[in-house]
Amino acid sequence: GENVEQHPSTLSVQEGDSAVIKCTYSDSASNYFPWYKQELGKRPQLIIDIRSNVGEKKDQRIAVTLNKTAKHFSLHITETQPEDSAVYFCAASRRYQLIWGAGTKLIIKP
Amino acid sequence: DTGVSQNPRHKITKRGQNVTFRCDPISEHNRLYWYRQTLGQGPEFLTYFQNEAQLEKSRLLSDRFSAERPKGSFSTLEIQRTEQGDSAMYLCASSLLEETSFGPGTRLTVT
Repeated sequence: GENVEQHPSTLSVQEGDSAVIKCTYSDSASNYFPWYKQELGKRPQLIIDIRSNVGEKKDQRIAVTLNKTAKHFSLHITETQPEDSAVYFCAASRRYQLIWGAGTKLIIKP
Repeated sequence: DTGVSQNPRHKITKRGQNVTFRCDPISEHNRLYWYRQTLGQGPEFLTYFQNEAQLEKSRLLSDRFSAERPKGSFSTLEIQRTEQGDSAMYLCASSLLEETSFGPGTRLTVT
């Protein structure tokens, strides 16, 4: 079955710097890759997603890249702000079921 | 609020008791999912419905857990003979295509 690995487990960056979180997946049939942000005590919120027919997608300070050949995808956050502090989860989907990464705790240092 | 809703938001129960949670998905969404999440971990898939049909159930789910979606709208998750290890956040999510929206969760504490 599908397996999603996510790195790093914790990422600490200076406010204003960029943050990159990487995920790899095992099932080449996976075709949808969302990223969720979860603040403490709150529900996961979809922040950006990408489909397998696209290599890159950007939404303001957030971008996601997908390398289908290598089976990895990454989340890029530029000009980080204190409100970006949260746990970020990647996921891979085939047939509408999400397989989740273990999460990355992003800490923005003032 | 047109998002996914869950009730109750918090439940404290004694070991051995049965509990039932309810999820109301976004109205036009035909897929509904139940996940369990413990502190510091990602959501763990429990089960999945397409309309009223339960299409998949995690192998990790013991027979104490049962879920229903009788009319293809709201869903219930029942845990029988609760154990302390069942303490977790139970998240419901729904989708029409791939984009999945989560409810606020029900936090279960088994004492």
